[in-house]
Amino acid sequence: AQKVTQAQTEISVVEKEDVTLDCVYETRDTTYYLFWYKQPPSGELVFLIRRNSFDEQNEISGRYSWNFQKSTSSFNFTITASQVVDSAVYFCALSETRRGNAGNMLTFGGGTRLMVKP
Amino acid sequence: NAGVTQTPKFQVLKTGQSMTLQCAQDMNHNSMYWYRQDPGMGLRLIYYSASEGTTDKGEVPNGYNVSRLNKREFSLRLESAAPSQTSVYFCASRGTGGNSPLHFGNGTRLTVT
Repeated sequence: AQKVTQAQTEISVVEKEDVTLDCVYETRDTTYYLFWYKQPPSGELVFLIRRNSFDEQNEISGRYSWNFQKSTSSFNFTITASQVVDSAVYFCALSETRRGNAGNMLTFGGGTRLMVKP
Repeated sequence: NAGVTQTPKFQVLKTGQSMTLQCAQDMNHNSMYWYRQDPGMGLRLIYYSASEGTTDKGEVPNGYNVSRLNKREFSLRLESAAPSQTSVYFCASRGTGGNSPLHFGNGTRLTVT
């Protein structure tokens, strides 16, 4: 069975600090996909990024960057120069692939609540 | 483009009452899902439907039933609500392929007293 662990339940930083959110996963699939979602205080779930298991290139999007390492089964998310608007709960998720009609399942970690103080 | 629409946004039930949460998507996605979100437990899958006409249990299906009415609509029913079902419920849909992200509705906050 697949599993996603976000060991940090809450992180508090001061604005402009860099912060890294950890995500560790377990899967027996050789092909899988990893995702990050953001849930701001308003409650909606916003898709941020996906990564294929066969593509270990890091990705940067503005102040956001993602570090995928298969050797340690981790997919960490770094926010550079954090801002108050980054305050949210962030979820890491793993997609396994099932054959037949069972569809593709996403398993979520427990989430990390990030609080950025001015 | 509305995406995934859930109704209602809020609901209060008494123990033993029943209700149906409605969900519709306009992205022509085959797969649809119902998750519940509880503090510290992330999102847990209740039921999913890989395609029209099929439904399967997820991680926490007890106390719930679902109906995939057509390709657009996937409803979640609580036959006899219990306080343990107090939660925020999210419907989601997804396109074909393991790399497709989930698209979520805005959630339903349900309180069972």
